[in-house]
Amino acid sequence: DTGVSQDPRHKITKRGQNVTFRCDPISEHNRLYWYRQTLGQGPEFLTYFQNEAQLEKSRLLSDRFSAERPKGSFSTLEIQRTEQGDSAMYLCASGVGGDTQYFGPGTRLTVL
Amino acid sequence: EDQVTQSPEALRLQEGESSSLNCSYTVSGLRGLFWYRQDPGKGPEFLFTLYSAGEEKEKERLKATLTKKESFLHITAPKPEDSATYLCAVQASNTGFQKLVFGTGTRLLVSP
Repeated sequence: DTGVSQDPRHKITKRGQNVTFRCDPISEHNRLYWYRQTLGQGPEFLTYFQNEAQLEKSRLLSDRFSAERPKGSFSTLEIQRTEQGDSAMYLCASGVGGDTQYFGPGTRLTVL
Repeated sequence: EDQVTQSPEALRLQEGESSSLNCSYTVSGLRGLFWYRQDPGKGPEFLFTLYSAGEEKEKERLKATLTKKESFLHITAPKPEDSATYLCAVQASNTGFQKLVFGTGTRLLVSP
């Protein structure tokens, strides 16, 4: 049983560049969540997919952020025109129904 | 607004010294309360889900309990490998997508 995987694990970019992260959920999990975690804080909800439909977005998700889940399998999170405030750990989680969410290892983004 | 407060922020124990971590919550209808363990630089690892007041769950040296206002994570005879940040999260029953609302965590350090 493979868990949630995320790629890349680390990303360093310069301010103003675009970045894209990928999440592969646990097989057959129909729900997929993105969270963001900054140092010393708990994860904060960003967005949610049920199958391929994006059903909820947090106010934290500015118009520079976009997420997709084509065909209801893997998901991508893109940040355009990155800012230093975007530096954080981006976590993906998946689940079945509305129950437990299983997290991936995260992608740590550093914006210089 | 749903809210989770964890205490203490940090806890240092000697190996074998039992203690408890607290998670106080306010939520508009609790669907579930979750405990996760997070090691530095990694994603949260699922530990327990509690659904109703009076419920208890155990796993090795950890025991989680739930009341209508708070949850406790009891650690019995901890070992150095139990050192981690322990995160508590709630899931409200009035949202269709069941996002998790996290506290800021308790950083536990167990010394040999």
